[in-house]
Amino acid sequence: QQQVKQSPQSLIVQKGGISIINCAYENTAFDYFPWYQQFPGKGPALLIAIRPDVSEKKEGRFTISFNKSAKQFSLHIMDSQPGDSATYFCAASESNYQLIWGAGTKLIIKP
Amino acid sequence: KAGVTQTPRYLIKTRGQQVTLSCSPISGHRSVSWYQQTPGQGLQFLFEYFSETQRNKGNFPGRFSGRQFSNSRSEMNVSTLELGDSALYLCASSLITSSGELFFGEGSRLTVL
Repeated sequence: QQQVKQSPQSLIVQKGGISIINCAYENTAFDYFPWYQQFPGKGPALLIAIRPDVSEKKEGRFTISFNKSAKQFSLHIMDSQPGDSATYFCAASESNYQLIWGAGTKLIIKP
Repeated sequence: KAGVTQTPRYLIKTRGQQVTLSCSPISGHRSVSWYQQTPGQGLQFLFEYFSETQRNKGNFPGRFSGRQFSNSRSEMNVSTLELGDSALYLCASSLITSSGELFFGEGSRLTVL
């Protein structure tokens, strides 16, 4: 029940396309859903996060879509660029507990 | 503002040895979490410290331990190293709780031979 399932494991998208990464969870007590971006040789960095009181949050080319009834959330990267090539992690947590992480998605944007 | 600093960045040990890794959080951050990252297992939570007290603990054997000092700096120790302990060990700091935004260091890459 504490798992966060992330898919796909890897993704190749053409430059300018839309990258979509999905995550699903079971614990309805989760109230914070961040996405982290990790480049090789670096630690993960917060990209964008959402709370369950909204269904969508957009920051530039990055959008989180949140479906509370389906217990799913996804990251959309519009107009994907080669600089977006990285590993993306979704996560979820409930207050005062540590983040539960997805397994990660390796995204490659082909020029 | 300086980021999270982890030392050493790389180290090689042999089976049976022990290792200590250090983490200096962002100034003012009181929560420090440790993660193990491997290609097959993703990010695995080890433990979190807040005000020198372990607040949460992941599912790792007792060979993995940690502590936090009064200045919020943290260390983790792995005793009796096994080949499977080879991984990138990441430290993350946050203001109060690890359920909010985490700021990660670049990690300490441990290779066990």
